[in-house]
Parts: sequence; C-alpha cells; structure tokens
Amino acid sequence: DAGVTQSPTHLIKTRGQHVTLRCSPISGHKSVSWYQQVLGQGPQFIFQYYEKEERGRGNFPDRFSARQFPNYSSELNVNALLLGDSALYLCASSPDAGGAYGYTFGSGTRLTVV
Amino acid sequence: KNEVEQSPQNLTAQEGEFITINCSYSVGISALHWLQQHPGGGIVSLFMLSSGKKKHGRLIATINIQEKHSSLHITASHPRDSAVYICAAAKTGNQFYFGTGTSLTVIP
Repeated sequence: DAGVTQSPTHLIKTRGQHVTLRCSPISGHKSVSWYQQVLGQGPQFIFQYYEKEERGRGNFPDRFSARQFPNYSSELNVNALLLGDSALYLCASSPDAGGAYGYTFGSGTRLTVV
Repeated sequence: KNEVEQSPQNLTAQEGEFITINCSYSVGISALHWLQQHPGGGIVSLFMLSSGKKKHGRLIATINIQEKHSSLHITASHPRDSAVYICAAAKTGNQFYFGTGTSLTVIP
C-alpha cells in the first residue's frame, strides 16, 4: 500500500519565484492538511482541505494557497518566495475531516529558498 | 506563547533507562497526538489520545484532560528510539497545534 506521497522531496528556488508542492493521500482518504516546519521548530498548520473544499487555514499570508483535486490529491502553492519560506512542508491525510480515524503524514518536501 | 509546550527540549539517556516527555496545552482539544520524527523529516503517528492511557510495545502515553497535560513514556529505551518526539493538540480534525519537539538521544 502506498502511503502519503509528496513531491518533490527536495527543491531549491530563488527568492521571488513561485513553487508548487504536491501531495497524494492514501487511497480512500478525503482530507489533506498542509504544515510548514521551519528548522528547529514544530510544524505549523497551513491548510486543511476536505472533499475539495477548504476547511481551515492557519496564520499564513495570501502568498500561500492550496487546492484539492477530484482524486483528493492536493497542491500547495507559494508565490513571491522569501528566504523565510525555507522549510520542510508536510502533508497529512485522513479518511474524514475530523481525524477520528487517524491520519498519516508524508515524508515532506524540503524547500530551500536562496 | 505557544499553545503547546513540551519538556524537556533535549534529552540524552543511557540504553535501558525509563524516559518521560511532558506536554502541556492551553487550548480546548478533540485529541492529543504524539508523533515521532526521524532525521530527514518523516513523521510517524505514535498515539492519538482523548482520555486515559494507551500502550504500544515499550511506549505508553497518558493524558489528564482536566490538567491539560500529557506524558509519553518509553520503557527500556534503545538507541533506535533516538528521534524527535512531538506533541500535537488537535483543535478540530487535522488542525493541529504542535509543540517544538523533544530531541531524544539514547546512548548504547
């Protein structure tokens, strides 16, 4: 069984560029959440999507956006990259929006902005 | 002030020692999660708690809802337990507040 798949695993971008990160949830999971983990800190919640609708948004600027596709995969987009956007971006999926049946994290995409 | 506080931030133990990591939270939660993160970033879910105590192998997690406190215990620690352990409070669904993690090193 494939777990939560994130791509790419590593990425280097230049300040001001745009980036798209992708997440494929476990088959049958309809909820996807995104988190940013800056080095040395705990993850911070960015977005939750369920059934293609945004269910929650953390305290991130409008440069961050996301969407969920009919197959429940998701993209996280970040515009006008700043050096401070360098982080590990984690995706988690769960069968439902409430997380009552548990969830699974992907291995993350490590973004470096130079 | 973080909604979730963990202690200690760093912990070094000898193989075989009993280890306790503490977590306090200030928000109302639907569940409290303990996660394990290895170098490279991958996160594994260890426990999801809403009350009481859970045990899986050498790992035990407890929660006191009234005191808003949870503990993760590792019995007979082993070098392969070396990792960062993160406490996460789930406010609703997958919308977590994360602690900054406890970096555990177990020395043979």
